[in-house]
Amino acid sequence: AQSVTQPDIHITVSEGASLELRCNYSYGATPYLFWYVQSPGQGLQLLLKYFSGDTLVQGIKGFEAEFKRSQSSFNLRKPSVHWSDAAEYFCAVKEMDSSYKLIFGSGTRLLVRP
Amino acid sequence: GAVVSQHPSWVICKSGTSVKIECRSLDFQATTMFWYRQFPKQSLMLMATSNEGSKATYEQGVEKDKFLINHASLTLSTLTVTSAHPEDSSFYICSARGLAIGGETQYFGPGTRLLVL
Repeated sequence: AQSVTQPDIHITVSEGASLELRCNYSYGATPYLFWYVQSPGQGLQLLLKYFSGDTLVQGIKGFEAEFKRSQSSFNLRKPSVHWSDAAEYFCAVKEMDSSYKLIFGSGTRLLVRP
Repeated sequence: GAVVSQHPSWVICKSGTSVKIECRSLDFQATTMFWYRQFPKQSLMLMATSNEGSKATYEQGVEKDKFLINHASLTLSTLTVTSAHPEDSSFYICSARGLAIGGETQYFGPGTRLLVL
């Protein structure tokens, strides 16, 4: 069965420091991958997505992610974190079938130290 | 573009009453809408998938008579929690996908917090 793993439950970084959030997936073919961000009490906002092509994907708010097939990873990065980036981040992969359902990771909570 | 709204944003109700939550796609036609439930500090749990004009497909373990889903138009889906009980208190989030905006991507609403007393 497909699955998504976000190994880090919490990550704390200082404002201005770089950030990398890890995401690993299990999937038999080329996956459709997503990163979403959720601020407290809010819905999810799409940061970026990868379907095919260039493996380095640029998103909103200065985020990028790199698809590495050999490592089954789709890690999210940002060169300089802002205090407003503090939130919950979810990695997701689209189901292989025709349902368009998403399989979500357990999420990583980002805390930003002033 | 690709804005999804939910109403109400929060609701408090008495045990035994029914509550209806609306999910609207504001600037696109939603071929499919999804309903999720999220417990505190946890990931999203898919409850059901609905296509316009069709019966919803419920995930295993979700009571379809408890959580009634209607997708009557291409811009509106509703979730009705019938005979709500305190254990139904949760954060409910909908999402939508549309063929015209890249059908593989789900766009999420802001969520509805339900508290059942």
